[in-house]
Amino acid sequence: AQKVTQAQTEISVVEKEDVTLDCVYETRDTTYYLFWYKQPPSGELVFLIRRNSFDEQNEISGRYSWNFQKSTSSFNFTITASQVVDSAVYFCALSGNFGNEKLTFGTGTRLTIIP
Amino acid sequence: DTGVSQDPRHKITKRGQNVTFRCDPISEHNRLYWYRQTLGQGPEFLTYFQNEAQLEKSRLLSDRFSAERPKGSFSTLEIQRTEQGDSAMYLCASSPTGGIQETQYFGPGTRLLVL
Repeated sequence: AQKVTQAQTEISVVEKEDVTLDCVYETRDTTYYLFWYKQPPSGELVFLIRRNSFDEQNEISGRYSWNFQKSTSSFNFTITASQVVDSAVYFCALSGNFGNEKLTFGTGTRLTIIP
Repeated sequence: DTGVSQDPRHKITKRGQNVTFRCDPISEHNRLYWYRQTLGQGPEFLTYFQNEAQLEKSRLLSDRFSAERPKGSFSTLEIQRTEQGDSAMYLCASSPTGGIQETQYFGPGTRLLVL
């Protein structure tokens, strides 16, 4: 069985601060995929990033960066110089290889950026 | 490409009534997924289609739930004899054929309230 744990239920930071959202996963698959989605108040899940289990390179996209560490089964997400528009619920998710692509989500982290 | 669309966006019904939701995936996406999200939780997988074939159903999908994708394009999710516990956001996602190309893109969701 697959499991995703997001231990931080809610985080509040002042605008322009950096913030890291934690994600820990469990899977028996040797090939798997990790995702981050953003859910603003409107409710639609917005895809942010996908990472393959065989690619441990960290990734940076503008103010966003992701740290994938197989040794600790973690896939953390950092927002640098946070902005009010970053306020949302962020979900980490996991899927398996071909035939097991359904997503298993964590419970989400509600991020509030205080102006 | 237009994104995934869902209709209706909101539905209020009385306990015991039947409801039907529609999802139109991104064109040429073979895979279509249904998820359910309750307040404060991450989305949970319900079922998915590869073209018109329903390949997997979660144990969450009781006998009162049925999903179809008759021509491999849009999909419908019907709930018969609704119960208050069915109140949730129902999310649809689509993706190209699974495996290495699998990234699921979500629609805006249908928010169901059963009174």
